[in-house]
Amino acid sequence: AQKITQTQPGMFVQEKEAVTLDCTYDTSDQSYGLFWYKQPSSGEMIFLIYQGSYDEQNATEGRYSLNFQKARKSANLVISASQLGDSAMYFCAMRAASGGSYIPTFGRGTSLIVHP
Amino acid sequence: EPEVTQTPSHQVTQMGQEVILRCVPISNHLYFYWYRQILGQKVEFLVSFYNNEISEKSEIFDDQFSVERPDGSNFTLKIRSTKLEDSAMYFCASSETSGRVYNEQFFGPGTRLTVL
Repeated sequence: AQKITQTQPGMFVQEKEAVTLDCTYDTSDQSYGLFWYKQPSSGEMIFLIYQGSYDEQNATEGRYSLNFQKARKSANLVISASQLGDSAMYFCAMRAASGGSYIPTFGRGTSLIVHP
Repeated sequence: EPEVTQTPSHQVTQMGQEVILRCVPISNHLYFYWYRQILGQKVEFLVSFYNNEISEKSEIFDDQFSVERPDGSNFTLKIRSTKLEDSAMYFCASSETSGRVYNEQFFGPGTRLTVL
């Protein structure tokens, strides 16, 4: 069974500082993908970044980067130079080929608050 | 920029009533999905849909649920006889491809369903 664990229910960061949101995963599959989504208070889900299990480089998208440590099964999201608009819920998710199923699994999320 | 739209934004219904949640996926996308998020909890996959049939469904997606693409633009989720525990935010998503492990899914803003 696949599992995503986000151990930080809430995080606070000062504007312009960097912040790391933790995500660990569990799967027996060799081929999988890890995703991060942002959910602002308005409720929509916004795709941020993707990391494939075979990707050798850590994924980056603007101020977002994914610190992928395969041996530790962690896929932490790093947000550099935090902005007030980064305040939101952040969800880590995984898709893996589990018995032919590609149903994604989401973590419980981390609430990030950016202070001015 | 193309986006997924959902209507209504909020639906209130009585227990036992049927509800239809509507989604208009991005026009050139071929793969469609429904997710739900019970308040304060993680996002859960319900169903994926391609070529006018269900590709995958989760254990949540029981006989009370059905999906349909009634025309070339709409994608609907029907709940036949709503229960109190169906109260949740329902997200529609679409993707251009189904790259198995990786496919970027674009989410709609969600419909908040309240069952009284």
